[in-house]
Order: sequence, then structure tokens, then C-alpha cells
Amino acid sequence: GESVGLHLPTLSVQEGDNSIINCAYSNSASDYFIWYKQESGKGPQFIIDIRSNMDKRQGQRVTVLLNKTVKHLSLQIAATQPGDSAVYFCAETPYNFNKFYFGSGTKLNVKP
Amino acid sequence: GAVVSQHPSRVICKSGTSVKIECRSLDFQATTMFWYRQFPKKSLMLMATSNEGSKATYEQGVEKDKFLINHASLTLSTLTVTSAHPEDSSFYICSARDRLAGVGEQYFGPGTRLTVT
Repeated sequence: GESVGLHLPTLSVQEGDNSIINCAYSNSASDYFIWYKQESGKGPQFIIDIRSNMDKRQGQRVTVLLNKTVKHLSLQIAATQPGDSAVYFCAETPYNFNKFYFGSGTKLNVKP
Repeated sequence: GAVVSQHPSRVICKSGTSVKIECRSLDFQATTMFWYRQFPKKSLMLMATSNEGSKATYEQGVEKDKFLINHASLTLSTLTVTSAHPEDSSFYICSARDRLAGVGEQYFGPGTRLTVT
């Protein structure tokens, strides 16, 4: 499959701080990117997505940034809360959404 | 919101037996379902793409005769692990794509923990 990887395997932040989780992808033809949150023993939950024709998209407390030049994706979480503690994955898919490939994941630990 | 269920949530079986895992889209029709495998503290690995009414497309390195996939209806796909061995122990997750969705979002099931003894 395509190569989608993360720079940091774990990230510890203080409650209330902002978190930034990074992801690198290798397929320049990727058209659609998604960030997922996975809590222990559960399936991934959709957080936010972005198309390749955008470089930034904001949701509630989350922002995804896409830099196609260096094939880099990031997830910013504002005012991180204990409930944000989980493993975060980026995933990418080409334009036809035929397959989704996941990065290796970053575990986010939020310290109270 | 879109809900995907999996059954069973946990299963323990003896080596050499077969196990069937069901994936259902509860409130939408899914023309495409995906099956993933996840090892502890690892990422999701796509095993196969299942399209309703046609044969599944397997990723390279995934044995189609060992991991039988059936997508008989727009709301149900099954994964059967045949002649299971301890190395098949893993967390299996399905996802479904809503055919009416405007973007390629997929909805994940809660996963099935398979332990082969």
C-alpha cells in the first residue's frame, strides 16, 4: 500500500495546552486526507478531513493543515482536554476513494 | 449519525477452527466495506475491499483463501478466518462507506478481538 507515516509515536501535553500531531505521506496523487481518533479497544472515529485543493480546514477545536509541497499533514487540537487522550491516525486516499491507507499513529497523553 | 456494528466483539477459538465476523451498517446502505487488521499499538492495515455483489479485492500479502469475505447485501459483510492459528490473533475492524455520502468518509465498526488458542 501507500506509505503514510507519523513523525512522533507519543505526545504528552498539559491539559489546556494546544497539541500538534504530524503526519507525512508519500503518494503525491492522494486527494483526500482524514484524521481519526481511536480510543483503546474501539474503532477509529472521524475527526476532520481535508481535500487536496485546500491547505487548511477548521472544525470545533481542531484544525487540519495540508502542505502538498512537502507532503505533510498536521492536526492541531486547541485547549487539549483529558478526553482527547487517544491514538490519532491520519489516513489518505486517492481521488476515487477506493482505498484508505493509515499512518502509524500517535498516542496523545493529556496530563491534568 | 451513521452506525456500523460488528459481531462478535470478542471471540476466542481453538487453533484449526474457523471464525466468522459480521459487519453491519445499521442506518445506511454501504456499497463498499473495508476490512482492517490491527496489531497491538500498531496502525490499521487494510486487508481487503468488499463491494456488494462482487468479489472482494485483497491487498497484497493477504491470503484470500484464509480470509473469506462475503458482501451479500448493502448492509452486511462477513469476514471468515478459516483454519485459524495463533498468529491470526488480532483486532479486526470493518468500515463502511455510505453510498449517498458526498465525500469518501467511512464509518468504522467497534472492532472484533480475535484470540486463537
